Amino acid sequence: EVQLVESGGGLVKPGGSLRLSCAASGFTFSSHSMNWVRQAPGKGLEWVSSISSSSGYINYAASVKGRFTVSRDNAKKSVYLQMNSLRAEDTAVYYCAADLRLEAFFDHWGQGTLVTVSS
Amino acid sequence: DIVMTQSPDSLAVSLGERATINCRSSQSVLHNSNNKNYLAWYQQKPGQPPKLLIYWASTRESGVPDRFSGSGSGTDFTLTINSLQAEDVAVYYCQQYYSPPSLTFGGGTKVEIK
Repeated sequence: EVQLVESGGGLVKPGGSLRLSCAASGFTFSSHSMNWVRQAPGKGLEWVSSISSSSGYINYAASVKGRFTVSRDNAKKSVYLQMNSLRAEDTAVYYCAADLRLEAFFDHWGQGTLVTVSS
Repeated sequence: DIVMTQSPDSLAVSLGERATINCRSSQSVLHNSNNKNYLAWYQQKPGQPPKLLIYWASTRESGVPDRFSGSGSGTDFTLTINSLQAEDVAVYYCQQYYSPPSLTFGGGTKVEIK
C-alpha cells in the first residue's frame, strides 16, 4: 500500500523558515518524481514544486521560486521542502503528492501538514 | 500558465439525481501526438486530501464507482455524477497536466445534497 506521511508543519513568524518532510513507502520511491501541493484555508489547490526521480529536474511555482527549495533522499525514501522568507500568504496545508503513472497527475496524496505564518 | 475555470462554484442536487460539473481550460489540453486530453478530476471530502477520480479526461481510476464519468475534449470538460449518493458530498477539482511543470487546478466545485 502506498503511503505518504508529511511532517514538519507548525506556526512560524513572517520571515521565518520551516522544513517539511514527506516519508514514502509502498512503491519504488527512487523511480518516481514527487510533488508538493498546497491549499490555503478554505481555498483551492495550488501546485508548489516538483522534483524528478534523480533530482535532475526541479521546478517551482512562481509564487515560491527563490524562497522554497525542494530536495529528496532516495535512500531514506523522503522528499523535503525547505521554506524560507515565509509570508502570511504561505499559510496552507501542504500535501506531498506522487504521480506513479509518470504522467503529472497525482494518484497518491499524503494527509498534509499545516503551516501557519503569523506574528 | 493554462488557466482552469470551473462552473458552477457550488451546486445542490437531490439524492439519486445527476450532478454536472464543468471545467474549461484557457488553451487546449489535447495533445495531437497521442490524441489524449491531459485533464484529471479529483474529489476532496472535508478534512481529507484530494483523491484522484479520473485522468485522460475520461479514464476512471481503479476503485472509483462507475456513477462518476468524465467527458469532453480540447478546452471543455465535464464531470458527471449519476445517481448522487450521500458520500459524494465533496469539492471537486479539475487539473491540467498538459504543460508540466506548470500544473494548474480549477477553483473547485462544491457538491451538496438538496
